[in-house]
Amino acid sequence: DTAVSQTPKYLVTQMGNDKSIKCEQNLGHDTMYWYKQDSKKFLKIMFSYNNKELIINETVPNRFSPKSPDKAHLNLHINSLELGDSAVYFCASSQVAGNEQFFGPGTRLTVL
Amino acid sequence: AQSVAQPEDQVNVAEGNPLTVKCTYSVSGNPYLFWYVQYPNRGLQFLLKYITGDNLVKGSYGFEAEFNKSQTSFHLKKPSALVSDSALYFCAVRDWGNNDMRFGAGTRLTVKP
Repeated sequence: DTAVSQTPKYLVTQMGNDKSIKCEQNLGHDTMYWYKQDSKKFLKIMFSYNNKELIINETVPNRFSPKSPDKAHLNLHINSLELGDSAVYFCASSQVAGNEQFFGPGTRLTVL
Repeated sequence: AQSVAQPEDQVNVAEGNPLTVKCTYSVSGNPYLFWYVQYPNRGLQFLLKYITGDNLVKGSYGFEAEFNKSQTSFHLKKPSALVSDSALYFCAVRDWGNNDMRFGAGTRLTVKP
């Protein structure tokens, strides 16, 4: 059973397009996160939701909008994609906010 | 705000030798410290954590880490490295009462046969 799953695994798209990445966790955790990992492997938190409420919202362009329909899902929608958005995006969850996190396999986004 | 530093981009060791991956942190209160490992094309995997209690923490795959409050360090160690330990290792910290976890820049460990 996959604990934290993301779809799609790979996403190749043109500049200016709008795309979404989906994340689901079956661990019963209360908190979910989105991270961006750049080509140098730096890992930067973007958002965190606790029981469907936004608790961390780092300085990211407002083209990025997270949506949490329930506490098992946290989707990431990106509008007007730019070249600099190319990265690997990781979803993660934790039982309680701030505890150890369980990561999904990542979504490699390439913007052409 | 909390921060974490991994002073080495790369660590190379021979198989069978002990390994150490360094991490130092900065927090205003009491730290919660974590180590994660990332294998190629995979998400991060949790290895171990320090919350309170014994300064020496044991984790997965034979790894351990030592919390040193006076040196504000949390170095990851393993007595005998395996080739399969080759991966990217991330240290992370959060401050007590703060949900925000900060990751270091990562250290690439290469274990040579």
